[in-house]
Formats: sequence, C-alpha cells, structure tokens
Amino acid sequence: GNSVTQMEGPVTLSEEAFLTINCTYTATGYPSLFWYVQYPGEGLQLLLKATKADDKGSNKGFEATYRKETTSFHLEKGSVQVSDSAVYFCALIFTGGGNKLTFGTGTQLKVEL
Amino acid sequence: DVKVTQSSRYLVKRTGEKVFLECVQDMDHENMFWYRQDPGLGLRLIYFSYDVKMKEKGDIPEGYSVSREKKERFSLILESASTNQTSMYLCASTPGSRAYEQYFGPGTRLTVT
Repeated sequence: GNSVTQMEGPVTLSEEAFLTINCTYTATGYPSLFWYVQYPGEGLQLLLKATKADDKGSNKGFEATYRKETTSFHLEKGSVQVSDSAVYFCALIFTGGGNKLTFGTGTQLKVEL
Repeated sequence: DVKVTQSSRYLVKRTGEKVFLECVQDMDHENMFWYRQDPGLGLRLIYFSYDVKMKEKGDIPEGYSVSREKKERFSLILESASTNQTSMYLCASTPGSRAYEQYFGPGTRLTVT
C-alpha cells in the first residue's frame, strides 16, 4: 500500500538556521504530495503542494520539490524563525483514488533564539 | 474565512461511557473526515463521509461509529469508551473538487479513565 516516511524529530534549530525535513514515499503510480503544518494548539493547515514530478511547491519561505527518481519531497527553508516552531506532516493523495490523504508521522520543529 | 469547529477542546470520560464528538463546518463542503492523532503514529483515518447520510470506513474504524444527518455536521461516536481510545481527535472537511485541501478543526483531546 501507500505510505509516507518522515525523519524523526524533534528537530531543534537556532533562529536563521537552514531547515531540511526529509520525506520519502512509497506508492504505486504518481501521487500528489503535500506538506501540512500544525502550530501548537491548532489543527493542521496546508502549507504547500506539488502535483507532478519536478514541481516545486512553495509558501511562507518553505519549499519542496517533487522528485520522482528518489520518491522524495523534502521540506526546506533558508532561514527559520521562532514562529516556525510546529509539527510538519508530509502527505500524499491519488487523484481519482478517493479523497483519502495518507500522512507521515510528523516531525516536530523547535526553533530557539 | 473557512471554519471547522469541534464541540470540545478537552474531554474526560470514564471507561464504558458513550461519547459524542461533534464537528461543524461552515463552508458547504461535501467531504468530512475524522482522524485520531497519536505520538509516533501521525494521523490515522477513522471514518469519512462524502455526502449526507453516507459514510465510509477509514483505516481504524473499530470501536467507532459516525453520523452525518446534515451536510455541515459530522459526529464521531464511541459506543463504549476504552482507555486505548485516549487520543487527540481531529475533524476535517474538504470540497469535492479539491480533496487534498483539507481544513482541520482545532482538535479534541479525549482522556478515558
């Protein structure tokens, strides 16, 4: 079946450091890929998406590129802020395969001053 | 602004009690979902509904049931709560045309003692 694997957290960084959170997937076919973010005390919200190979999703300074050859969708940000502290979830969905997102286990990011 | 609300942020129930978790969305979305979120396991889909009075089992439906009598409201029912149902419960909704763009409520942290 389909699955998403994320790096384990927590990831702790100093403000202005470079961020990478790894995400790889296993799927039959070519899914659409997403990053969701959950700030403390809130529900998840969509951060960015990519619907086909080589697409780059971006939002709020975060980027992720859909790499078919490595089945990866790593999240990056050049300079993190304390306000980026949250849990980040990688997810996939198949268009036409129903409405079900498959989520990774989440990676907690802590940014310190 | 899109809004998904859940009836309680925190709930404490005793083993064997019947528990109702309510979710309401104000966006006229066709699809609604119930997930549970546990550390190290990420989000797991319990049930979803793509229309009024329609429901489908997710990955972990055992011990749960759902009700959708009106388009805006989706209820999760624990018929006889058990301690292994202590968890964070998240409701989400999405329009039929953009199944990936799920809008989440803030969650209900349920403790069963």
